[in-house]
Amino acid sequence: DQQVKQNSPSLSVQEGRISILNCDYTNSMFDYFLWYKKYPAEGPTFLISISSIKDKNEDGRFTVFLNKSAKHLSLHIVPSQPGDSAVYFCAASGWSESGGSNYKLTFGKGTLLTVNP
Amino acid sequence: DGGITQSPKYLFRKEGQNVTLSCEQNLNHDAMYWYRQDPGQGLRLIYYSQIVNDFQKGDIAEGYSVSREKKESFPLTVTSAQKNPTAFYLCASSIQWGNQPQHFGDGTRLSIL
Repeated sequence: DQQVKQNSPSLSVQEGRISILNCDYTNSMFDYFLWYKKYPAEGPTFLISISSIKDKNEDGRFTVFLNKSAKHLSLHIVPSQPGDSAVYFCAASGWSESGGSNYKLTFGKGTLLTVNP
Repeated sequence: DGGITQSPKYLFRKEGQNVTLSCEQNLNHDAMYWYRQDPGQGLRLIYYSQIVNDFQKGDIAEGYSVSREKKESFPLTVTSAQKNPTAFYLCASSIQWGNQPQHFGDGTRLSIL
């Protein structure tokens, strides 16, 4: 059962516009969320994270929003640049549903973002 | 400069052979991890180590083994018991075990001949 879901396999936006990548999770005990960016044949690069005590975290062009009641987070990239074209993974960790701490990251399947010049 | 080095980048194995993937980090991180990525899938955790001389099974540990004799090194052995070993393998580390960003190497692609 997928605990972290990225329902859009791909997204295409124009350069300069906003890119919004979405992620849903089912485990209400998750309390730490991250976004990674991955180019083909390379390892993922950490972009930004957010703790469940916050609902927004910003770093330059990247902002992550967390809606705990909806179990939803999103990554906003403004403005989008062609170099942002990559696969974006959402990940989460926290207390496991069966009890006990669980700092293992659970990843979504990724969304391929294409930014067109 | 600091980072995580995985070698080799491409690896070929004959059926029935064990093969070891190398992962070295010079970030002075306590925790290290091995993931597997299959096409169209997210990363799945194979093994993790919170600290030197310790390691724990992840979600898909069957057919794999690890060791953590040095802080800098966390090699992964893919044994002949792993029925579907063809995949992209990623090693990661974090400053400590906990809610910390994990930083990844560039991966090793393993293929079966």
